[in-house]
Amino acid sequence: QKEVEQDPGPLSVPEGAIVSLNCTYSNSAFQYFMWYRQYSRKGPELLMYTYSSGNKEDGRFTAQVDKSSKYISLFIRDSQPSDSATYLCAMSGRHDYKLSFGAGTTVTVRA
Amino acid sequence: DSGVTQTPKHLITATGQRVTLRCSPRSGDLSVYWYQQSLDQGLQFLIQYYNGEERAKGNILERFSAQQFPDLHSELNLSSLELGDSALYFCASSVDGGSNTDTQYFGPGTRLTVL
Repeated sequence: QKEVEQDPGPLSVPEGAIVSLNCTYSNSAFQYFMWYRQYSRKGPELLMYTYSSGNKEDGRFTAQVDKSSKYISLFIRDSQPSDSATYLCAMSGRHDYKLSFGAGTTVTVRA
Repeated sequence: DSGVTQTPKHLITATGQRVTLRCSPRSGDLSVYWYQQSLDQGLQFLIQYYNGEERAKGNILERFSAQQFPDLHSELNLSSLELGDSALYFCASSVDGGSNTDTQYFGPGTRLTVL
């Protein structure tokens, strides 16, 4: 079993819809949680970062962490065609700075 | 543009060969990370260097080695290449690499194809 599980999709939604992405993890040492966005043929770029349970908002993006369930989510409101990309969750331990990534979910937002 | 550069963009080689991938971190970043991205394994951490010293090791094969030079650029050497080594290799850099809040910035990657 992988440390980080993420449904690879693909996910296709109409423009303006809410996109919901999630990851589960098994390593209770993970304390820091990130979401990266990767466009085709590009490197991943950091979207959001959080280390506490609860919600964190940044514009149209909301990251949610539930440490008791070992479950994290990313919501994209009012999705745009420019949001079409692969979204990867990543996490690390308190003193372990290497990132463990999920498989990535490919999202397509249809105009 | 993240500011991290990687060369070459594409590399095609044969089994048994050796290749070198190069990475230049963002200006001012002291830490460099190498990752491998393949369809079946996803994005996997290989190794981290901080200011020339190895700091952390992940799922890096013995056939692979890396180093960080005094000018902070890094090279990843892959030898005795196998078909299964075909993947995207990413370099990332961060200011320090000693904190969980230290953002890693990824380069555009090198696509390696082993025939």
